[in-house]
Amino acid sequence: RKEVEQDPGPFNVPEGATVAFNCTYSNSASQSFFWYRQDCRKEPKLLMSVYSSGNEDGRFTAQLNRASQYISLLIRDSKLSDSATYLCVVPNSGYSTLTFGKGTMLLVSP
Amino acid sequence: ETGVTQTPRHLVMGMTNKKSLKCEQHLGHNAMYWYKQSAKKPLELMFVYNFKEQTENNSVPSRFSPECPNSSHLFLHLHTLQPEDSALYLCASSQDGLAGGNEQFFGPGTRLTVL
Repeated sequence: RKEVEQDPGPFNVPEGATVAFNCTYSNSASQSFFWYRQDCRKEPKLLMSVYSSGNEDGRFTAQLNRASQYISLLIRDSKLSDSATYLCVVPNSGYSTLTFGKGTMLLVSP
Repeated sequence: ETGVTQTPRHLVMGMTNKKSLKCEQHLGHNAMYWYKQSAKKPLELMFVYNFKEQTENNSVPSRFSPECPNSSHLFLHLHTLQPEDSALYLCASSQDGLAGGNEQFFGPGTRLTVL
């Protein structure tokens, strides 16, 4: 299993749709996880942190399944402004560095 | 200025040139990072500095040479680069080197083209 693997995308959805991204990780010792968002030709920015079974922030819900080493990000009621690449991020076992997935691109259309 | 700044934003250089990328963070953080982002590849960590000490060198070729004079500034000195080094170079900072518990804040990046 790759260190961090994400759905390849791109996901093309209409406004208002619900979309979910999946991420699997290989380091079973990881305790916290992150979803970052990267707009086209911009830097990554933190979207959500996930420390327990999940986290919800408005239209965004992150869920964690430690047994399956799987993280998901659910976006409800998609907006045009949600179009971006979503990066799944996992700390290494020493918590000194982060490993980034390749990212999943989301395109929300009118 | 706030956040993490990087200069220059764009750089075109020949393989025999020597140039430097600069990063400055205004967040009072103690850890700084250099990443390389190439098309269709995940972010690749290059170097980590924690309290001005280099704590990670991710098998980066010696033609990339980092320098961290203090906790707020980070440089990446470039010399005799190859065309495959063309990429977006991102600087980031976090409160300390325990990245697992701390958000990393990224600068806007330097888009480097090596001819």
